[in-house]
Order: sequence, then C-alpha cells, then structure tokens
Amino acid sequence: GAGVSQSPRYKVAKRGQDVALRCDPISGHVSLFWYQQALGQGPEFLTYFQNEAQLDKSGLPSDRFFAERPEGSVSTLKIQRTQQEDSAVYLCASSLAYPRLPSTDTQYFGPGTRLTVL
Amino acid sequence: GIQVEQSPPDLILQEGANSTLRCNFSDSVNNLQWFHQNPWGQLINLFYIPSGTKQNGRLSATTVATERYSLLYISSSQTTDSGVYFCAVERLNAAAGNKLTFGGGTRVLVKP
Repeated sequence: GAGVSQSPRYKVAKRGQDVALRCDPISGHVSLFWYQQALGQGPEFLTYFQNEAQLDKSGLPSDRFFAERPEGSVSTLKIQRTQQEDSAVYLCASSLAYPRLPSTDTQYFGPGTRLTVL
Repeated sequence: GIQVEQSPPDLILQEGANSTLRCNFSDSVNNLQWFHQNPWGQLINLFYIPSGTKQNGRLSATTVATERYSLLYISSSQTTDSGVYFCAVERLNAAAGNKLTFGGGTRVLVKP
C-alpha cells in the first residue's frame, strides 16, 4: 500500500463499550507505534512493536488498553469499558527501522481514528 | 523524560510572508522530525533532521543539536500552509525503539 491506513476513521461508543481500532502499516515496516492525540495537543506515545514483539507499552494509560500485532503486520488497539476521557484521535505510525539509518527511522503516520465516547 | 517546547503557539500570517518556528528540546536526540498536520488531521512528514540543514521547496529546517533547538522556516507562505506544525524527537540512547515525543505544536493560519 501507499501509506499507513487505519480503520474505522470515526468511532462513537457509549461509555462502557469495548472498541477495537485497526492499523495497517506500510508493507515491510518493522516498527509500529500507537499514539493518542487529545484535542488541541500533540500526539502522545502509547506503545511500540518491533515485528510481533511489544517492546514498550509504557504509554498505555490503564489496563483497559491493550494492543497486539500477532503476525508482525496489522495491529489492533483495543480499549475495554471505554470512558469519556478516552475520547481522542488514535494515530498509528510505522517505520522501516532496519538498519538504523535516517531513511529507515522516519515514522509515517496514518490518518487516525477519532474516538468519541458518549 | 525529554521535554519539547515549540514557539510561538499561534501564528497568523498574510499570504506571501515569511516565518520561523522554533523547537527547543531538553536532551540529546537521535531523531528529530517536523510534521504538518493538515485541517483533516493527517500528519505529513516535512523533514527528518537530527542535525544540519535541509530544504524542500519553500520550506527549510535547521537543527543545532549541540544547542538543542531546531528551526523551521516557511517562505512566501500560502493558504495551504495553514495547519499545525509539530516538532517531535527521539531521545538519544532510548532504551527501546524510537518513540517520538512531540511538542505542543504551532498553529499557523495564513490569510489570503
């Protein structure tokens, strides 16, 4: 594919519902990142995968947030029992990452999923 | 963690004007990227520039790593330059991966 894709683009959930957000990275990209962007703020890191291994989940705000990338390509971010404070845009990014070079370190972002929790 | 501050927070320009956006960061970095977030929310890569100077059309960027700042120059601004400009850095010797820490952004409005 030409770029990172995410689905759905918009999601409205009632408080307490579970949601699943999908990310398709650029083909062949080793690294995959999830970020959360609140209204009027810069994106904030949530979690990072290298292939199928989740190497850093330090940014996940609570144990209601779970991410997976079982085959090292597509990733899913799941939020259980959604709360109003989870309303945000969820961005996925990928990078080639190997070997470590400027050209491979550049992160490319998808269009995001805007989650609104009522 | 590393701190990233951008200035000014807001900028209003007349079409054709030039401007400079600044990004200060608190620690040594492996990676610094400038992004433009368009009104539809898409983050578009402008530069990968942990040091040195690069130019791409009307945009150029300079990073002085030893002094921990980067500048983005917009020349002959156009209405399509409107949006939010973000600076994002990866701390040097980060333990895992190359997660980016973003600044708060500079919101640019170019008036016709």
